Amino acid sequence: DTGVSQDPRHKITKRGQNVTFRCDPISEHNRLYWYRQTLGQGPEFLTYFQNEAQLEKSRLLSDRFSAERPKGSFSTLEIQRTEQGDSAMYLCASSSPAESTDTQYFGPGTRLTVL
Amino acid sequence: DQQVKQNSPSLSVQEGRISILNCDYTNSMFDYFLWYKKYPAEGPTFLISISSIKDKNEDGRFTVFLNKSAKHLSLHIVPSQPGDSAVYFCAASSQAGTALIFGKGTTLSVSS
Repeated sequence: DTGVSQDPRHKITKRGQNVTFRCDPISEHNRLYWYRQTLGQGPEFLTYFQNEAQLEKSRLLSDRFSAERPKGSFSTLEIQRTEQGDSAMYLCASSSPAESTDTQYFGPGTRLTVL
Repeated sequence: DQQVKQNSPSLSVQEGRISILNCDYTNSMFDYFLWYKKYPAEGPTFLISISSIKDKNEDGRFTVFLNKSAKHLSLHIVPSQPGDSAVYFCAASSQAGTALIFGKGTTLSVSS
């Protein structure tokens, strides 16, 4: 079990640029979640997938954000036309309903800094 | 409107003593509660969970208590160790496997 991995770990970009993050879940987990965490706050839910289907999206996920999980394995989160307010830690988690508690396990996160 | 509240931003405890972290929630639809621990520059690490049908769950040094009538849960760490120093987040969901709602966290410092 290699755990949830995220790439890159850090990203610095200029305002207005597009960025894309990748998440690889634990191999047998078919649910994948994206959260965002800013300083002094707990993680905030953005969206989640069951297999390739995007089942829920938060109102925090503006039109500039898009998430995909085309083959039900890894997922990407793209932010278009980045703004300074997008600076945050982007966390990915995965879970399996086959486990009795369907616990979400988190990756190390991608820290985004928008200059 | 914060649905999950951790009203103590920080807690300091001596090694060997009990640490008690508290969490309150407002949404009566929450059915599943979890505690995560987070070190700087890392993702949250799952500690322990409890469903609303139980009032206590224990795993080694960690015990979570749920009081549904008071909409309150607590995490007890006994005995506390310096390695327990981290930020602890309480989280809740309306059912397992859906979006988690997190509190703002409590920073625990365990001194030797």
